[in-house]
Amino acid sequence: GAGVSQSPSNKVTEKGKDVELRCDPISGHTALYWYRQSLGQGLEFLIYFQGNSAPDKSGLPSDRFSAERTGGSVSTLTIQRTQQEDSAVYLCASSLIGLARETQYFGPGTRLLVL
Amino acid sequence: AQSVAQPEDQVNVAEGNPLTVKCTYSVSGNPYLFWYVQYPNRGLQFLLKYITGDNLVKGSYGFEAEFNKSQTSFHLKKPSALVSDSALYFCAVRDEDDYKLSFGAGTTVTVRA
Repeated sequence: GAGVSQSPSNKVTEKGKDVELRCDPISGHTALYWYRQSLGQGLEFLIYFQGNSAPDKSGLPSDRFSAERTGGSVSTLTIQRTQQEDSAVYLCASSLIGLARETQYFGPGTRLLVL
Repeated sequence: AQSVAQPEDQVNVAEGNPLTVKCTYSVSGNPYLFWYVQYPNRGLQFLLKYITGDNLVKGSYGFEAEFNKSQTSFHLKKPSALVSDSALYFCAVRDEDDYKLSFGAGTTVTVRA
């Protein structure tokens, strides 16, 4: 079956521009997570959505980062006024209902380069 | 708080030899432990997990891992490594009351022919 999909696969932008990254979770999965993978910080949690509950935004590094999830499915991570330190691979994952014991399945990631 | 340590940045083995990738963890409650593998320019692929029960967990591609509560470890093993096992391996932990994964820094495995 289809896994988690993300687009674009690569994004190059200029410092100060806004970018939008998209994630399409596995069909039927109500829990969705965003992580960031960067050389200096490793893999770090950004934000978590579960059904219609308020998202856990505790991992977002600054107020330039925001995310939404429309209709309980597709999610968009938006970075405003991008900075060079935002360059990283942004990974999306989904799981069935968000229980701790569930496996999170990851998408291929979006590689963001801010010039 | 939860954290994971992967003490080795790199592991090099010859094809056909046993492969071990080390992982230790720290959580306040009961741990749920995961191993993922990442090939170049790809996302994370799930290998196996420990939730409860038998301490020896078997997963994809012939990998297994042993949960050791007293040593707070969850080492990944494969009895006979293949060149195609060369990749970046991540150990991750969740506390039983949490939903976000905490990852180790990753271990690069190189299997030489």
